[in-house]
Amino acid sequence: ETGVTQSPTHLIKTRGQQVTLRCSSQSGHNTVSWYQQALGQGPQFIFQYYREEENGRGNFPPRFSGLQFPNYSSELNVNALELDDSALYLCASSLQELEGYTQYFGPGTRLTVL
Amino acid sequence: ILNVEQSPQSLHVQEGDSTNFTCSFPSSNFYALHWYRWETAKSPEALFVMTLNGDEKKKGQISATLNTKEGYSYLYIKGSQPEDSATYLCAFSSGTYKYIFGTGTRLKVLA
Repeated sequence: ETGVTQSPTHLIKTRGQQVTLRCSSQSGHNTVSWYQQALGQGPQFIFQYYREEENGRGNFPPRFSGLQFPNYSSELNVNALELDDSALYLCASSLQELEGYTQYFGPGTRLTVL
Repeated sequence: ILNVEQSPQSLHVQEGDSTNFTCSFPSSNFYALHWYRWETAKSPEALFVMTLNGDEKKKGQISATLNTKEGYSYLYIKGSQPEDSATYLCAFSSGTYKYIFGTGTRLKVLA
């Protein structure tokens, strides 16, 4: 069973640029969630995709957008990058039908915005 | 605003000591409480999912309890080992999608 993978591992961008982060779900999972972890904080929920549709969104501006593909992999896109977007971005996959909806996390992508 | 708090923020213990941490969460609209163990440069690892008041879960030397009426969960580690050093995160969910995480407890077990 393959776990959740994310790419790239690290990334450096400048203010105003756009970035795409990628996530491959654990085999058999149909739901992907994205979180942002800034320094000293717990992970903050960005949004979730279930069967290619957005299923919920946290308190993030529209320049944070996402996609889920038919194979349940996912992308997080951030436009017009700001310095405060520097963070670890975590992706998690789950199977909605399982009790407790345990989410299984990837190792994250560290984004630095200069 | 839903808030999840963990204490202590960090903890140093000697090898062989037992320790425990607290996660406080909203007592209303409870669906599940999750515990994760997160080692540096690795993926957070799911330890427990707890859904019922009074739940107790155990995995090796790690156990957890849940009180949904008063809104807290305890994580216990019996006989800590250096390999238990990690950040322990709890996450509250009130429904099907988002988790609300605490800021974690960083545990360092000294040999």
